[in-house]
Amino acid sequence: QKEVEQDPGPLSVPEGAIVSLNCTYSNSAFQYFMWYRQYSRKGPELLMYTYSSGNKEDGRFTAQVDKSSKYISLFIRDSQPSDSATYLCAMRYNQAGTALIFGKGTTLSVSS
Amino acid sequence: DADVTQTPRNRITKTGKRIMLECSQTKGHDRMYWYRQDPGLGLRLIYYSFDVKDINKGEISDGYSVSRQAQAKFSLSLESAIPNQTALYFCATSDMGEGITGELFFGEGSRLTVL
Repeated sequence: QKEVEQDPGPLSVPEGAIVSLNCTYSNSAFQYFMWYRQYSRKGPELLMYTYSSGNKEDGRFTAQVDKSSKYISLFIRDSQPSDSATYLCAMRYNQAGTALIFGKGTTLSVSS
Repeated sequence: DADVTQTPRNRITKTGKRIMLECSQTKGHDRMYWYRQDPGLGLRLIYYSFDVKDINKGEISDGYSVSRQAQAKFSLSLESAIPNQTALYFCATSDMGEGITGELFFGEGSRLTVL
């Protein structure tokens, strides 16, 4: 079992839909949880960051961490065609010397 | 100019050739990374370096080597390229220290095709 599992999709939704993207993980030592967004032919960029459990909201985006279930989610409200991209979850241990572990990424397409 | 610059952006080569991918950064970060991205496999860590004298293997280091020439430069070499090393390669940097999120800043990628 990989440390981080993410359904690659693809996921296609109409403009205005609510999108839910999810990752599960196996190692309870993960403390930092991130979502990166990657547009076609570009490098990933940090979208949301959460430490430990709880929710974090930024505009149309909400990141949620459920450590008891080892499950993280990214919700996009009122999705727009400009949200079409690949979304990668990432996480790391609570140690200064560790690197990020990424999920495979979910490809999202929002049609107008 | 981009903060993390990768060269070349695209390269086609033949099996057995030696290839070097270069990365330079102007962000002043100590930590640098090389990832490869394959369809259906996501981003996988090849090597990472936390300072000029520190080199660490990642998940998939076999067949690759790296050199940290300076704080701002980190190169990835394929000594004898093989077709299954065809992929999109990303260099990334991050800041260090407790309390820092460890956010990675990526370059635009180097697409390598090995025939």
